[in-house]
Amino acid sequence: AQSVTQLGSHVSVSEGALVLLRCNYSSSVPPYLFWYVQYPNQGLQLLLKYTSAATLVKGINGFEAEFKKSETSFHLTKPSAHMSDAAEYFCAVRYSSASKIIFGSGTRLSIRP
Amino acid sequence: DTAVSQTPKYLVTQMGNDKSIKCEQNLGHDTMYWYKQDSKKFLKIMFSYNNKELIINETVPNRFSPKSPDKAHLNLHINSLELGDSAVYFCASSQTPDSYGYTFGSGTRLTVV
Repeated sequence: AQSVTQLGSHVSVSEGALVLLRCNYSSSVPPYLFWYVQYPNQGLQLLLKYTSAATLVKGINGFEAEFKKSETSFHLTKPSAHMSDAAEYFCAVRYSSASKIIFGSGTRLSIRP
Repeated sequence: DTAVSQTPKYLVTQMGNDKSIKCEQNLGHDTMYWYKQDSKKFLKIMFSYNNKELIINETVPNRFSPKSPDKAHLNLHINSLELGDSAVYFCASSQTPDSYGYTFGSGTRLTVV
């Protein structure tokens, strides 16, 4: 079944450290890929999206993600974590323009002072 | 001037009651969605409407009935509420059914007691 997997339900990093949140998809055909962020008691906000253009996608708040077809991955990174980055992050996938967006199970990012 | 607004934000009700959640978007989008987020943060699509027409109807108990009076509004009515219906319900919208990203509302936290 087509799906998206986020490795690690909880990631904790120190302020100023590299943030790496992992996402893998299952498909032989490159899908459309997204990262959303959910701050406490808020809705989801689109961070960035991959739609078969450049493989390195830059998003808001200094985040970026790289599409790697050979690894079926779309990991989210940020060079230096800020306290304000603490939130729940969702990887999402769409396997065709006609299909619905499927969300991963989410990764909670905590930032240590 | 919130893009996607849901009411109410919180809803506490007893088992067996019937309740409605309302959603409105002022983005001029054609497509609207209802997602359910459970206690483990897992997001699952329930319904989608495009220009008032139902286009996605996932495996959801028929106690849940969406209604779209016009393309800017999508309401969710739930009959005979059960404890398991407790969750956060998110409304979202997109320009078209195959748009790359969705705009989410801030959610309605439903608690059934």
